[in-house]
Amino acid sequence: DIQMTQSPSSLSASVGDRVTITCRASQSISRFLSWYQQKPGKAPKLLIYGASTLQSGVPSRFLGSGSGTDFTLTISGLQPEDFATYFCQQSYSTSDTFGQGTKLEIK
Amino acid sequence: QITLKESGPTLVKPTQALTLTCTFSGFSLSAGEVGVGWIRQPPGKALEWLALIYWDDDKRYSPSLKNRLTITKGTSKNQVVLTMTNMDPVDTATYYCAHRLYSGFHTFDYWGQGTLVTVSS
Repeated sequence: DIQMTQSPSSLSASVGDRVTITCRASQSISRFLSWYQQKPGKAPKLLIYGASTLQSGVPSRFLGSGSGTDFTLTISGLQPEDFATYFCQQSYSTSDTFGQGTKLEIK
Repeated sequence: QITLKESGPTLVKPTQALTLTCTFSGFSLSAGEVGVGWIRQPPGKALEWLALIYWDDDKRYSPSLKNRLTITKGTSKNQVVLTMTNMDPVDTATYYCAHRLYSGFHTFDYWGQGTLVTVSS
């Protein structure tokens, strides 16, 4: 299995801040990396796929980067609706794996 | 517009089998280059990928659960069925199905609302 290690596991920030979440794969996954946002009681929502391609309708303050084993999700100018949990996912191998999640909380 | 919805029992007993159905609309699983996957999430925990079936009947399973999982296309053309045997309380989770793009980077771009399954005697 390819392991996905996300950090930090939780993060406190204020509206307007810029935050970065990282995801590291245990082996190279090229750009087969997606980021999802999940709010309590809701299904995950796709934000970014292919490591850096913004899903249609997702605000441009979300930025994904990286390739190989190291990836980042940066959110600039945090909005109240951005406080949620974020997951990365690799789809390179025959079985996908998700990171353990990063909970973004209001400071 | 693509939609998916999970259905099945909300409560199962330990050692029983769980059968969940994903009913979808807005795409065809026989049209090519699409798939349907299952993902679960225990309360307060991370997402766990379970299984995936593609339009050509290619099936993929989580290595840690493959002996307990079976994914199939349903009798209706717009359904996918997941069966998990020998259920245990640790399998208590919300189970999601999701639409998978085969082309590009194989992402899950549409998700169902999820269904909570509790395993308890």
